[in-house]
Amino acid sequence: GQQVMQIPQYQHVQEGEDFTTYCNSSTTLSNIQWYKQRPGGHPVFLIQLVKSGEVKKQKRLTFQFGEAKKNSSLHITATQTTDVGTYFCAGSNYQLIWGAGTKLIIKP
Amino acid sequence: DTGVSQDPRHKITKRGQNVTFRCDPISEHNRLYWYRQTLGQGPEFLTYFQNEAQLEKSRLLSDRFSAERPKGSFSTLEIQRTEQGDSAMYLCASSYRTNSRDTQYFGPGTRLTVL
Repeated sequence: GQQVMQIPQYQHVQEGEDFTTYCNSSTTLSNIQWYKQRPGGHPVFLIQLVKSGEVKKQKRLTFQFGEAKKNSSLHITATQTTDVGTYFCAGSNYQLIWGAGTKLIIKP
Repeated sequence: DTGVSQDPRHKITKRGQNVTFRCDPISEHNRLYWYRQTLGQGPEFLTYFQNEAQLEKSRLLSDRFSAERPKGSFSTLEIQRTEQGDSAMYLCASSYRTNSRDTQYFGPGTRLTVL
């Protein structure tokens, strides 16, 4: 069946360093969505990418959708403590298939 | 508050008991999803409804699980004869699906602990 693989599982960074998480789908997607889940919270929608090669920015967050619509990335520039949480990608054809998430941890 | 709500927020039960959870979606949303999430994992799809019709159920879902959305508004998820392995966060999400969009809005979840 369709799978969405997300790496890395964890990323430890110093505050101010960059963070990147990657998603790869086994099949071509109609769109990909990104969600953030804070510790103890529920997933919150960040953005949806639909077009091949699409790049979208939200302040320090940059989202990319691959040309083949099978992979995507989220890059955070100059991380802050408010960025802490787990970032999930979810690929969509007729239903959302979720990656396992990448947990962003800020080193003290 | 016009977001997705879930009740109860926490449920502790003994193994073998039945439990029922409720989800109230955002009112104009036509789709409602149930997920299960365990610590360190992403949401695991259980089932979803379009209006009152249950369109898909995960093959991983045991026969002990049943969900309803009788009037296309709120939904209930029932687990019969609970097992310790059922302990998890049960998340509900709703969306208004169009041809190009299916953004899901999540409720706060119901945390189930089976003793």
